[in-house]
Amino acid sequence: DTGVSQDPRHKITKRGQNVTFRCDPISEHNRLYWYRQTLGQGPEFLTYFQNEAQLEKSRLLSDRFSAERPKGSFSTLEIQRTEQGDSAMYLCASSRTLQGYEQYFGPGTRLTVT
Amino acid sequence: KNEVEQSPQNLTAQEGEFITINCSYSVGISALHWLQQHPGGGIVSLFMLSSGKKKHGRLIATINIQEKHSSLHITASHPRDSAVYICAGQNSGGSNYKLTFGKGTLLTVNP
Repeated sequence: DTGVSQDPRHKITKRGQNVTFRCDPISEHNRLYWYRQTLGQGPEFLTYFQNEAQLEKSRLLSDRFSAERPKGSFSTLEIQRTEQGDSAMYLCASSRTLQGYEQYFGPGTRLTVT
Repeated sequence: KNEVEQSPQNLTAQEGEFITINCSYSVGISALHWLQQHPGGGIVSLFMLSSGKKKHGRLIATINIQEKHSSLHITASHPRDSAVYICAGQNSGGSNYKLTFGKGTLLTVNP
């Protein structure tokens, strides 16, 4: 499968624990986006990378959130000291600059904080 | 205020009916995406359009730039079309091309 993959698909954690999610974009895509979707709402932008550079972060991304894309390929999103309000679906998407910027989405990681 | 508004929020149809979902968007959006999300969360891109009309199988998407309005039509609807349909505006400011999403339309097609 050559689409966008995310791992894990589901994560249940206790409040206060740290969690890390991984996204593997389509291999030739230089842009990578993270979005968050809470129940009954559309996804909201969190951050994006062009190659390894993190170029924009949403105000939604508190200090407890950090994202990296160390070699311009896969990306990780870490949440420290999780809170119940962090429970959501975390979506990753990738695109290629010279192909109309159409974004291809991964299956998402569903986080439940108990 | 959300820059992308969808209607209706919920839509129930009988198999075979023609479906229309509407999306209005604000200035600063250069292209409009239609996405499909099945239970379990995975999102699939259906269309990206900045003008005119696109067709793929039983799905048709149209956009009116002057009115800042787009529609997604499903002809001869089928129960397997049941999903959440989301429109998303692609930001034209700067170079980030991030998406601003509507809240989605939950479509249920009954046999």
